[in-house]
Amino acid sequence: GDSVTQMEGPVTLSEEAFLTINCTYTATGYPSLFWYVQYPGEGLQLLLKATKADDKGSNKGFEATYRKETTSFHLEKGSVQVSDSAVYFCALGGGSNYKLTFGKGTLLTVNP
Amino acid sequence: SQTIHQWPATLVQPVGSPLSLECTVEGTSNPNLYWYRQAAGRGLQLLFYSVGIGQISSEVPQNLSASRPQDRQFILSSKKLLLSDSGFYLCACRDGEYYGYTFGSGTRLTVV
Repeated sequence: GDSVTQMEGPVTLSEEAFLTINCTYTATGYPSLFWYVQYPGEGLQLLLKATKADDKGSNKGFEATYRKETTSFHLEKGSVQVSDSAVYFCALGGGSNYKLTFGKGTLLTVNP
Repeated sequence: SQTIHQWPATLVQPVGSPLSLECTVEGTSNPNLYWYRQAAGRGLQLLFYSVGIGQISSEVPQNLSASRPQDRQFILSSKKLLLSDSGFYLCACRDGEYYGYTFGSGTRLTVV
């Protein structure tokens, strides 16, 4: 079945550092890929998405590129801020009944 | 775009008491709806999904049940809560053509 593997962290960075959170997937067909962010005590918000190979999703300075050859969708940001502290989830979708399969989440803490 | 309303935001219930969590959706019709639980830690577990009124699929055996009495209403219930039912419950709706989800703000349930 479909699965998502992401680095579990926690990841702790200083403000303005470079961020990478790795995500790889296993899926049949051609899934869509997503990154969601969860701030403390809140639900999940869509951060960015990519629907086909070589697409690059971007939002709020975050980027991720759909790499079919390496089955990866790594999240990157050039300069993190304290306000980026949250849990980040990688997910893939397109299976039966449109169920999303999530990774286990990566806790990011950015210190001033 | 759709909006999901969940309530209550927090709930403290004694073991053995009943539960009813409600989720309603605005801005779409005939949505696919989902209930997730996020236990201590960060992973998301899909509990139920529904593709239409009265249609419920259960993903894991458990003490909970779900119902969909109206097109845009999804209810999570239990007759007798267990300590292990504590967690953060999220309702989600399939978001348009890209297989992504819109999430509600969640209900924090503590069973004591």
